[in-house]
Amino acid sequence: GENVEQHPSTLSVQEGDSAVIKCTYSDSASNYFPWYKQELGKRPQLIIDIRSNVGEKKDQRIAVTLNKTAKHFSLHITETQPEDSAVYFCAASPPNFGNEKLTFGTGTRLTIIP
Amino acid sequence: ETGVTQTPRHLVMGMTNKKSLKCEQHLGHNAMYWYKQSAKKPLELMFVYNFKEQTENNSVPSRFSPECPNSSHLFLHLHTLQPEDSALYLCASSLALAGGTSSYNEQFFGPGTRLTVL
Repeated sequence: GENVEQHPSTLSVQEGDSAVIKCTYSDSASNYFPWYKQELGKRPQLIIDIRSNVGEKKDQRIAVTLNKTAKHFSLHITETQPEDSAVYFCAASPPNFGNEKLTFGTGTRLTIIP
Repeated sequence: ETGVTQTPRHLVMGMTNKKSLKCEQHLGHNAMYWYKQSAKKPLELMFVYNFKEQTENNSVPSRFSPECPNSSHLFLHLHTLQPEDSALYLCASSLALAGGTSSYNEQFFGPGTRLTVL
């Protein structure tokens, strides 16, 4: 089955600086890679996702890059703000025709230092 | 209520108890999921239901028994649990396509049930 590794487990960044979180996956058939944000005491929420036919996707201050050859993908947050403090989870899914079987990474606790 | 709701939000039970977790989605979705979230571990997929049919059982012990009476409701029946089963149990739903079409639709999570097994 799929195995997703995520690094780092914790990350502290000065407000305004950029943050990068990296994930690797093992199943070359995986072709969907979402990122979820979970604020303290709240539910995970999708913030961005990428499909394997795309190398990069951007949405305002967040971007995701995918390297299918190396089987890794990364989340980039620029101009970080205090509200970006949360736990971020990457995930990977192979084609599954109707329901998503997501394998999650262990999470990165991001702290933005004012 | 909108989105995905879960009850109860907190549950403390003994190892010999029987209890049930409930999830309800108000999004018109047709796929529902149970996840287990433990400290310092990845979110673990437990069960997937697609159009009320169970399509995934991720090697979950039989002391966890899911039930999906319709596309809007999902239950997780618990019996003779162990202390290591203490965790946050999250329900999610998504809009799945039938007929063999590959789809990747956002999963919407509920707030979770914090379960403590004594």
